[in-house]
Amino acid sequence: SQQGEEDPQALSIQEGENATMNCSYKTSINNLQWYRQNSGRGLVHLILIRSNEREKHSGRLRVTLDTSKKSSSLLITASRAADTASYFCATVRNTGTASKLTFGTGTRLQVTL
Amino acid sequence: GAVVSQHPSRVICKSGTSVKIECRSLDFQATTMFWYRQFPKQSLMLMATSNEGSKATYEQGVEKDKFLINHASLTLSTLTVTSAHPEDSSFYICSALYRDYGYTFGSGTRLTVV
Repeated sequence: SQQGEEDPQALSIQEGENATMNCSYKTSINNLQWYRQNSGRGLVHLILIRSNEREKHSGRLRVTLDTSKKSSSLLITASRAADTASYFCATVRNTGTASKLTFGTGTRLQVTL
Repeated sequence: GAVVSQHPSRVICKSGTSVKIECRSLDFQATTMFWYRQFPKQSLMLMATSNEGSKATYEQGVEKDKFLINHASLTLSTLTVTSAHPEDSSFYICSALYRDYGYTFGSGTRLTVV
């Protein structure tokens, strides 16, 4: 399986704290994306970082990518209760005519008041 | 823009029957769509890649005859679970490849086979 690993599997923090999730993958990639999934719902795209980028910001989100270690991290600053969800990293390799997303195992984030 | 609509959101069917799930791109043309399966508290596993006008490409271990995929137009892909059994109960999600936006996901279908 090409599926990446994420850690921690579950994270519980208080509102206002920062949340850091890590993702490791196995193959060379074109880009890496982070998604959010509320329970029983579809996925929402959060941020994309290309293989030649090392860091990217979007609002309260900060993503890093280390291709030498095949790892990425997602930092959510000043977390809110509404950030409670599962977060998945997904890698893209260009394979033939279609670029497939391969998802990590996910981190379940719980933000309490 | 780049919205994907997936229906139904929930379906309960009897064992042995077939269920069709639709995935529509509402405001763009999707030559490629993907179908995923997700078990509770687990990640998404790619089942197949659906290409408009051609046969779907299935991932290893996915039964082609059980999970029929049809991508007859640039805005519609369907997944039919044939002769469903309780072990097919799962959350199925489609996504479409959108040029500038990347991947857009449907809201998912919760299938329960009783």
